[in-house]
Amino acid sequence: GAGVSQSPSNKVTEKGKDVELRCDPISGHTALYWYRQSLGQGLEFLIYFQGNSAPDKSGLPSDRFSAERTGGSVSTLTIQRTQQEDSAVYLCASSLTTGGQPQHFGDGTRLSIL
Amino acid sequence: AQSVTQLGSHVSVSEGALVLLRCNYSSSVPPYLFWYVQYPNQGLQLLLKYTTGATLVKGINGFEAEFKKSETSFHLTKPSAHMSDAAEYFCAVSLNYGGSQGNLIFGKGTKLSVKP
Repeated sequence: GAGVSQSPSNKVTEKGKDVELRCDPISGHTALYWYRQSLGQGLEFLIYFQGNSAPDKSGLPSDRFSAERTGGSVSTLTIQRTQQEDSAVYLCASSLTTGGQPQHFGDGTRLSIL
Repeated sequence: AQSVTQLGSHVSVSEGALVLLRCNYSSSVPPYLFWYVQYPNQGLQLLLKYTTGATLVKGINGFEAEFKKSETSFHLTKPSAHMSDAAEYFCAVSLNYGGSQGNLIFGKGTKLSVKP
């Protein structure tokens, strides 16, 4: 596609439920990143993919968070047993080459935990 | 630990005036430095970056930034503001090795308003 696409754009769910957030990077981009932006906070790094592998997942806040990438393209961020503090905007970004930095971000998924 | 400080959450300038957005960082090793821009209703995009070499780097739309190691600064400037520059600007830093280059530490952002 023309840009990084994320779905859903908004997600409201009850505490304790699992959620899956999807990211479609720009076609041909080998590097993919997940960040989140909580109210009053800056952007926080979550995980970085080179192809299908994740050399840096140091930003995942707990073992309730996981992410995978298949076919060197689509990535899914899964949050299990959601908590209210998980409420945030989750941003995905991609770049053409690995070992670089995010070039283009998607519009994000706004996650609200009731 | 690395950190990024952007001085001023809101900056307002007149059209045609100088734009100066301040960014200071702390890092135990020489970092890579970035500015990202988020226009209204759009996703973040990379504006410019410093990795190595020339300390004055130029980006899109006439913006430039200068890496000053002695001042641990990477301020963003543009000589003459345009209405279309109204956006939120984020400074970021990363360690300059391997997979950690994807691990950016962002500042909290500066919202730039341009008055006619």
